[in-house]
Amino acid sequence: QVQLQESGPGLVRPSETLSLTCSVSGGSMSSYFWSWIRQPPGKGLEWIGYVYHSGSTNYNPSLKSRVTISVDTSKNQFSLKLTSLSAADTAVYYCAGGRSSGWYDYWGQGTLVTVSS
Amino acid sequence: EIVMTQSPATLSVSPGERATLSCRASQSVRSNLAWYQQKPGQAPRLLIYETSTRATGIPARFSGSGSGTEFTLTISSLQSEDFAVYSCQQYNNWPWTFGHGTKVEIK
Repeated sequence: QVQLQESGPGLVRPSETLSLTCSVSGGSMSSYFWSWIRQPPGKGLEWIGYVYHSGSTNYNPSLKSRVTISVDTSKNQFSLKLTSLSAADTAVYYCAGGRSSGWYDYWGQGTLVTVSS
Repeated sequence: EIVMTQSPATLSVSPGERATLSCRASQSVRSNLAWYQQKPGQAPRLLIYETSTRATGIPARFSGSGSGTEFTLTISSLQSEDFAVYSCQQYNNWPWTFGHGTKVEIK
C-alpha cells in the first residue's frame, strides 16, 4: 500500500518561499502522477499542480508564476516550492498520487502552513 | 476555469436511509468526474472516478451517475462511518476543480 507523508515548515513569513516535500513509501513512483492540492481553512480544495514520474509538470494558471513542482524518483520524493507568499496562501497542503493525472487514490495526511509575520 | 456547484450544502439523513448528492459543472466535463469523502482532520478519500467507477475498497452502497454537466452520488443505506463531507471534482479541463462540498450529517 502506497503511503505519502508531507514535511516542511508550519509557519512561513509573508513574501518568503514555501518548500514542502512529500515522501512516498510502499511502492514505486513510476507510472504515477504526483500532485499538490491545498485547502484554506473552512474552504474547498484547490489544485496547485502535478508532476509525472518523468518530470513533466502542469501548474494551475492562477499560481503558475509562483509554483515549481519537482520529482526525485531516486529518493522516492516530490517537492513543492511556492514563492512570494501572502496570508491567502495559508492552507492545509496535501500531496497525492494517482495512476491518472485526474484522480488520486493516495493522499498524505496534510500539513498546515500558516503565512504570518 | 470550470466551476463545480454542489447541492445541498448540508444534507440531514438518518442512518439506514438513502442519500442523494448533486454536482453541477459550469460546462460539460463529459464523464471526467470524481467524488471524494473527507472527514474532519483527514485527507480526502477517493470514492468514485470516471463518474461511476468505485475506487478500490469502496463499498457497493456508494454509486455515481450522470454525464456532461449533471452528476449524482448516491449512498444507498447510510452507515455511521458515512457521515462526512463529499466533494466532486472535474478533470476534463485544466485546472482540475472541486466543488465546495456537501456535508452529510446525522438527522
